Amino acid sequence: GAGVSQSPSNKVTEKGKDVELRCDPISGHTALYWYRQSLGQGLEFLIYFQGNSAPDKSGLPSDRFSAERTGGSVSTLTIQRTQQEDSAVYLCASTNNFGEQYFGPGTRLTVT
Amino acid sequence: GEDVEQSLFLSVREGDSSVINCTYTDSSSTYLYWYKQEPGAGLQLLTYIFSNMDMKQDQRLTVLLNKKDKHLSLRIADTQTGDSAIYFCAERGGSQGNLIFGKGTKLSVKP
Repeated sequence: GAGVSQSPSNKVTEKGKDVELRCDPISGHTALYWYRQSLGQGLEFLIYFQGNSAPDKSGLPSDRFSAERTGGSVSTLTIQRTQQEDSAVYLCASTNNFGEQYFGPGTRLTVT
Repeated sequence: GEDVEQSLFLSVREGDSSVINCTYTDSSSTYLYWYKQEPGAGLQLLTYIFSNMDMKQDQRLTVLLNKKDKHLSLRIADTQTGDSAIYFCAERGGSQGNLIFGKGTKLSVKP
């Protein structure tokens, strides 16, 4: 069946611009996570959504980062006023009721 | 705090067994995972184990869990060149079930 999809696959933006990254989780998965993978920091948890509950934003690195999830499905991660240290691969994952967490292919963000 | 440690590199010959080791700190972790990442690709869920198990076998993969020592290992039997990748160990910790990853072990398989 269809896995987690993310768009765009690559994004190059200028420092100071805003970007939006999209995630389509696996149908029926109620939990959705965003992570960031960078050379220096490895894989870091950013934010978590469970159903229609308020998200757990404890991993967001600054207030320039925000995310929303509409209708309990698609999620958008927004980074405002991008900085060069935001360059990374942003990964989305969704989890089924058995605890299996599946990842999308990621969005590679490059801030110039 | 929660932490997951694994060695950075492992090199084996084709046909040998590979054993990738991992230690974690959160004794309350309910699930422990192994993911594979090939160059330029996303994370592929290989296998996972519940914390009340001590072994899980899935074809060429064997996961061993020593809960007392907080040690997890992944054994790949008859390693092939296609197994060359980075392998990440992860525990399901965090307050909301987010995964905490190790830095990854780069497995190189020589013909």
